[in-house]
Amino acid sequence: ILLTQSPATLSLSPGEGATLSCRASQSVATYLAWYQQKPGQAPRLLISNASNRATGIPARFSGSGSGTDFTLTISNLEPEDFAVYFCQHGSQWPITFGQGTRLEIK
Amino acid sequence: EGQLLESGGGWVQPGGSLRLSCEASGFSFSSYVMHWVRQAPGKGLEWVSSIVEGGTVTYYEDSVEGRCTSSRDNSRNTVYLQMNSLRVEDTAIYYCAKGSGRGDFDIWGQGTMLIVSS
Repeated sequence: ILLTQSPATLSLSPGEGATLSCRASQSVATYLAWYQQKPGQAPRLLISNASNRATGIPARFSGSGSGTDFTLTISNLEPEDFAVYFCQHGSQWPITFGQGTRLEIK
Repeated sequence: EGQLLESGGGWVQPGGSLRLSCEASGFSFSSYVMHWVRQAPGKGLEWVSSIVEGGTVTYYEDSVEGRCTSSRDNSRNTVYLQMNSLRVEDTAIYYCAKGSGRGDFDIWGQGTMLIVSS
């Protein structure tokens, strides 16, 4: 299953809202997760099962979608939110990741 | 809070072998599927392998199938990735990750770097 993320890069200012997209080449039901990765760090799970925030993740992060189209929304961007975001499906093997969206400060 | 600690990375010549280890703590290790994910320098994330709770079933990404073997020792809370016939394109940070039970990875190690170069 191929996951395609868009856009590749998103330039925004703190306080603005971000919308990141992940499209699957076939249905993954809701077996879709989102991760945040900062330079030099391991990825961190943000969203599980398409829309469930992981433990400790702020409420400004939200996920939606099912089937083939998914969205990660970050409201009121904080400086620490500027990072790379990956989607990942877990509906079957092989597990795959999207190529990532870089969220950068405008 | 669970933790994962990888070790075993380093520099290897093409065609060589290496075994990565990942020691878990803070959760019931034997109850979870464990995974390996890699990231080449400046690139995205790539799933490499998964091993089920009892160690009886393993899955591999196509490019490592036949060259890598995942195993686990539940008495030592440790998962391993044996890598043979290493290629330059295997150069990456290798992360160990805990399966959440929902198809994703809820705990990640800090990663161990493997460099394959002559």
